[in-house]
Amino acid sequence: QSVLTQPPSASGTPGQRVILSCSGSSSNIGSNNVYWYQHLPGTAPKLLIYRNNQRPSGVPDRFSGSKSGTSGSLAISGLRSEDEADYYCAAWDDSLSGRVFGGGTKLTVL
Amino acid sequence: EVQLVESGGGLVQPGGSLRLSCAASGFTFSSYEMNWVRQVPGKGLEWLSYISSGGNTMYYADSVKGRFAISRDNAKNSLYLQMNSLRGEDTAIYYCAREKYYDNSGYDFWGQGTLVTVSS
Repeated sequence: QSVLTQPPSASGTPGQRVILSCSGSSSNIGSNNVYWYQHLPGTAPKLLIYRNNQRPSGVPDRFSGSKSGTSGSLAISGLRSEDEADYYCAAWDDSLSGRVFGGGTKLTVL
Repeated sequence: EVQLVESGGGLVQPGGSLRLSCAASGFTFSSYEMNWVRQVPGKGLEWLSYISSGGNTMYYADSVKGRFAISRDNAKNSLYLQMNSLRGEDTAIYYCAREKYYDNSGYDFWGQGTLVTVSS
């Protein structure tokens, strides 16, 4: 069972906006930054969002992140077929003295 | 071009040991903190261990504490993970990932991973 909680699946149609959620606690998201990664099986994971809402260069502005209290969210607008992947949130956990990941959300583009 | 290339994976018996390596190139390795992350087949990502840029500070996930040891050789631009007392549940793809910890910039580059299979 993951420390950060993500819904196991989500879906949307091309062009739609979807929001993926990540729920934590005061020891992780509540007091530290949230990160989001995109992972296609068999490939290296890719950083999408750092410091809650910052995009690395090269990440389209269709991807945006936010944080409120002990929860984070990743919004994907203008959904495309290539967005079909697994999405993971992550944060440092002060109680565990380590990084924790969510269980991941498998996004399907219908 | 930034590259992280893991090696050392393979088949090992339960109770056995394995040493993974991660060769870095295309950036100043000694300026980055490094991590090991794994993915059990069909499961999510699991952070395993962190090492500071100078190698003085290490953190471990509870699942591997006391069994795995992270280390680095900045002169060789290499990161290592010594894995002892391996169990079936350690079967996974193991990734190395870099970060600028104090910049809170996240794991901005990952290797392609190396597969470890623990089975008799």
